[in-house]
Amino acid sequence: DTGVSQDPRHKITKRGQNVTFRCDPISEHNRLYWYRQTLGQGPEFLTYFQNEAQLEKSRLLSDRFSAERPKGSFSTLEIQRTEQGDSAMYLCASSSRTSSNEQYFGPGTRLTVT
Amino acid sequence: GNSVTQMEGPVTLSEEAFLTINCTYTATGYPSLFWYVQYPGEGLQLLLKATKADDKGSNKGFEATYRKETTSFHLEKGSVQVSDSAVYFCALIPDNAGNNRKLIWGLGTSLAVNP
Repeated sequence: DTGVSQDPRHKITKRGQNVTFRCDPISEHNRLYWYRQTLGQGPEFLTYFQNEAQLEKSRLLSDRFSAERPKGSFSTLEIQRTEQGDSAMYLCASSSRTSSNEQYFGPGTRLTVT
Repeated sequence: GNSVTQMEGPVTLSEEAFLTINCTYTATGYPSLFWYVQYPGEGLQLLLKATKADDKGSNKGFEATYRKETTSFHLEKGSVQVSDSAVYFCALIPDNAGNNRKLIWGLGTSLAVNP
């Protein structure tokens, strides 16, 4: 079990560009969560999947954000037309069917929009 | 609504001192409560949890008790070490009975332990 992995670890992009992040959960974890964390703040919930179904999406997530989990394994989070306010750490977590309260986090992807 | 309030940092202690980080919450349902820790340069790690009133979560010498009457989940450790220097987050899942297990987080408390 290698834990939750995220790619890339760092991304610098210019305003207006599109970016895509990937998250690989712990194998056989059926739930996958995306959070966003800015400096000095706690993480904020963005969206979550149970298997391939996206079951909730935060009001924080504008139409420029989209997430998928096409086969119920890895997930991608895409941000279109990035803005400076999108600069943050994007965190992915997963949990299992039997221990759904315990979320295991990846190292995060740090996005800087210039 | 659902929210978590934890004491502001930074907290600076000498090695072997007693640690308390206060955390209080509001929740619309019957929540599960958590403490996560983030060591410098690392990802968030679950430190301990409690899922019902009067439960005590413990790990690595840290403890926290789920107090429903005071809506609190304070983190304690009897003797801190330099290696405990990190940011500590209190969090909750708002309703054990709900399907969504999204975490609601406090702002985090930075702890620095000096030798």
